Amino acid sequence: DAKTTQPPSMDCAEGRAANLPCNHSTISGNEYVYWYRQIHSQGPQYIIHGLKNNETNEMASLIITEDRKSSTLILPHATLRDTAVYYCIASSGGSNYKLTFGKGTLLTVNP
Amino acid sequence: GAVVSQHPSWVICKSGTSVKIECRSLDFQATTMFWYRQFPKQSLMLMATSNEGSKATYEQGVEKDKFLINHASLTLSTLTVTSAHPEDSSFYICSARDKRASGMPYRGTGELFFGEGSRLTVL
Repeated sequence: DAKTTQPPSMDCAEGRAANLPCNHSTISGNEYVYWYRQIHSQGPQYIIHGLKNNETNEMASLIITEDRKSSTLILPHATLRDTAVYYCIASSGGSNYKLTFGKGTLLTVNP
Repeated sequence: GAVVSQHPSWVICKSGTSVKIECRSLDFQATTMFWYRQFPKQSLMLMATSNEGSKATYEQGVEKDKFLINHASLTLSTLTVTSAHPEDSSFYICSARDKRASGMPYRGTGELFFGEGSRLTVL
C-alpha cells in the first residue's frame, strides 16, 4: 500500500464544512483511496472510497486530484459527533485485502 | 449495514492467565478476518490475517504462539492471548471481509467491516 500523509489534527466549527487533506504521492494505478474514521474507543467506521473519480455518499464527499497524488475528504456540515480520528488509506484490495492504518487526523468539531 | 460483533467488549485478568476474544460476523460470511491491536494514542496495528479453515498469517514481530487465532467457521474467529502480561493490555479490534467479495473484481466498498473492539487490561 502506498504511504499516506495527513495533518495530525484539525479543528472545525459545528455546522461548517470540514475538509481533511491526504497526500498519497506514490499511489499506484490500481490502488483505491479509502477513508475510515474512529470515534474514541470504538472500531473504525468506513466512510467512503474512490479510485480516480470524485465520490459522494450520505456521509461525505471525496475529491481526488487528477494526478491522484492527493485527496480531500469533505464533511459538508460537521456535527459534534463527527469528532474522531480520520484515516486515509491507499490500498489495492484484492484477495489479500488488508488495511494498513497510519496516524490519521484528529478532527475536533467545536460548538 | 453488515455487523461484526466482538465479545467481550472489555476484560480484566490476572497476569499469567489466558484470555479469549471472539469476533463474529452477524449477517454475512467472512472468509477472511483481521486482528488489530491499538495502544493508547496510537494507530491500529495489524497483528494477523485469519482465513477460514487454514492457519493464520501473522505480521512481522507478532508472536504466533502468544496470540492464538482460530477461524473455524465462516462467521467466527477467536483470538486467544496466552499467558497474558501487563504489556499485552491493549484495545483489540477485528475486521471481517465479506465472502461474496472473494474472487470478484475489487469493489472496495462494504467489504471490510470492523467490530467494536475489546479492551484487555492485564493486572
